[in-house]
Amino acid sequence: DVKVTQSSRYLVKRTGEKVFLECVQDMDHENMFWYRQDPGLGLRLIYFSYDVKMKEKGDIPEGYSVSREKKERFSLILESASTNQTSMYLCASSSTGYGYTFGSGTRLTVV
Amino acid sequence: GESVGLHLPTLSVQEGDNSIINCAYSNSASDYFIWYKQESGKGPQFIIDIRSNMDKRQGQRVTVLLNKTVKHLSLQIAATQPGDSAVYFCAEGAGTASKLTFGTGTRLQVTL
Repeated sequence: DVKVTQSSRYLVKRTGEKVFLECVQDMDHENMFWYRQDPGLGLRLIYFSYDVKMKEKGDIPEGYSVSREKKERFSLILESASTNQTSMYLCASSSTGYGYTFGSGTRLTVV
Repeated sequence: GESVGLHLPTLSVQEGDNSIINCAYSNSASDYFIWYKQESGKGPQFIIDIRSNMDKRQGQRVTVLLNKTVKHLSLQIAATQPGDSAVYFCAEGAGTASKLTFGTGTRLQVTL
């Protein structure tokens, strides 16, 4: 069964901490995405990558960075976590021209 | 847990009835459309897709209809079951673009 795996379902971090969210896909997809999802705001794109070591900013990149050193892995980094980054984070992958496969999500709480 | 559907339009249907969820899209160049289902606390799951050279596609208990003239997409669920309760999103893509654009979603509530 093909899948996108996010390393944590729930995380609690302190304000100011550096936070790493990991995502791995086993479908050899070239595209990978990070979204955050908040009530009433829908899915908002943070960053995406269409190839190894390539990245592009999405709609809300501020306060985040990403890393894609290998095709199967796309990491989201919160450089200095803040309470307004408390959210559900969703990773997805795709082959161009096809739909996304999403991970199960990571619910991050910053206290 | 916190619901992603707190401020979404809600469709309430009785178990066994058919459900129709609608979506309007804005990009005339979009040629690929997808419906996702998201249950509380989980990631969105692919349900069915359709390309612009078709106007209807059927899956198991689901049908997607595409009206390109009015840029409208709908998802029909036959004999709705309690397990169908979720938030449903449409998404659109254009050409070889890698990114999809997502709708805000509709919450489907199935009453017994």
